[in-house]
Amino acid sequence: AQSVTQPDIHITVSEGASLELRCNYSYGATPYLFWYVQSPGQGLQLLLKYFSGDTLVQGIKGFEAEFKRSQSSFNLRKPSVHWSDAAEYFCAVGAGFGNEKLTFGTGTRLTIIP
Amino acid sequence: DTGVSQNPRHKITKRGQNVTFRCDPISEHNRLYWYRQTLGQGPEFLTYFQNEAQLEKSRLLSDRFSAERPKGSFSTLEIQRTEQGDSAMYLCASSLDRTEAFFGQGTRLTVV
Repeated sequence: AQSVTQPDIHITVSEGASLELRCNYSYGATPYLFWYVQSPGQGLQLLLKYFSGDTLVQGIKGFEAEFKRSQSSFNLRKPSVHWSDAAEYFCAVGAGFGNEKLTFGTGTRLTIIP
Repeated sequence: DTGVSQNPRHKITKRGQNVTFRCDPISEHNRLYWYRQTLGQGPEFLTYFQNEAQLEKSRLLSDRFSAERPKGSFSTLEIQRTEQGDSAMYLCASSLDRTEAFFGQGTRLTVV
């Protein structure tokens, strides 16, 4: 069965600083990987996804992620964070052929300080 | 396109009562998913439909839970004889085949 580990429960970053959120996955075949963001009391919004091809994927809001098969990682990065980026971030892996039965990590809460 | 709509947004119920939640997916989406999210955790898969067919159910979906999508459009999730452990956010998502899944804002259930 697939699993996702997000080792950082909470990260605090200064506005304008760079950001990297870690994600490690376990899956027996080629993974389908996702990053979602959730603001308080809201649903999930897809930031980016990796299905195949270029291992560096670009997403919305200036986010990018790099798939590293050798490290079983899919870390999310942003060169300069904005106060509006404060939210909960979830990494997920999809079973089967895409987005069926997503398995999510426990999330990383991002706080932005002025 | 008004997105995925879930009703109600909040529900408080007494233990032992039955509750039903509704999800209206994006109109052309043929796949619909239900997830449950407890405080401090990521969403956990419950079940999914392709059109009106329920294709997979998680072991989390006990006998007290039932989901339907009778005409391949909206879906309902019913919990019978609610327990305090059922308190959670119930999220619905939809997609067109295997493309991006769009999530609704969820229904927060509190069992007292």
